[in-house]
Amino acid sequence: DADVTQTPRNRITKTGKRIMLECSQTKGHDRMYWYRQDPGLGLRLIYYSFDVKDINKGEISDGYSVSRQAQAKFSLSLESAIPNQTALYFCATALTSYNEQFFGPGTRLTVL
Amino acid sequence: AQSVSQHNHHVILSEAASLELGCNYSYGGTVNLFWYVQYPGQHLQLLLKYFSGDPLVKGIKGFEAEFIKSKFSFNLRKPSVQWSDTAEYFCAVNSPGGGADGLTFGKGTHLIIQP
Repeated sequence: DADVTQTPRNRITKTGKRIMLECSQTKGHDRMYWYRQDPGLGLRLIYYSFDVKDINKGEISDGYSVSRQAQAKFSLSLESAIPNQTALYFCATALTSYNEQFFGPGTRLTVL
Repeated sequence: AQSVSQHNHHVILSEAASLELGCNYSYGGTVNLFWYVQYPGQHLQLLLKYFSGDPLVKGIKGFEAEFIKSKFSFNLRKPSVQWSDTAEYFCAVNSPGGGADGLTFGKGTHLIIQP
């Protein structure tokens, strides 16, 4: 079984719709992260969480919100999706802030 | 804020050729350095990492990287590439005590190996 899972794997939605991307992990890590990947731009950090009570903004948090429902679950929401949020979204976990991160399979989101 | 530069966005090589992908970072303090690989349609996987100690680190699949502190560089190398090495390669850095959490990634290098 995969250690970091993401649902859905693919999603097409329309401008203005609310959408939630979910991430679950079985690694027992406290640190969880959301990144978006755009062609030619690499990965950029959206939000990160140290534990259920500690949520922090990353480099590109505008237009996104997150929820850490439990140690194992970290959700990313787009309250009102817009076309430039079309991207590949990755969730990642880490044991500590300075260890390697383990990535989920990604969610490909298309906003029409 | 720290930044990571990968010099080559697209590289095309023939099988058995040697590979070197450049990576430079901007942060002047203590850093942890990583190379990740993303095979077509797959998630990111760790190739190798450097935290401290021997600046020449060996990773999976015959890859290695050398940390040169004076040059702020962490270049990835492989002596003889294979067709299966076709992928996107990302250099990343985080800085213990540097404030913000998470990894800062370079923009990636798309490597194509021709049979």
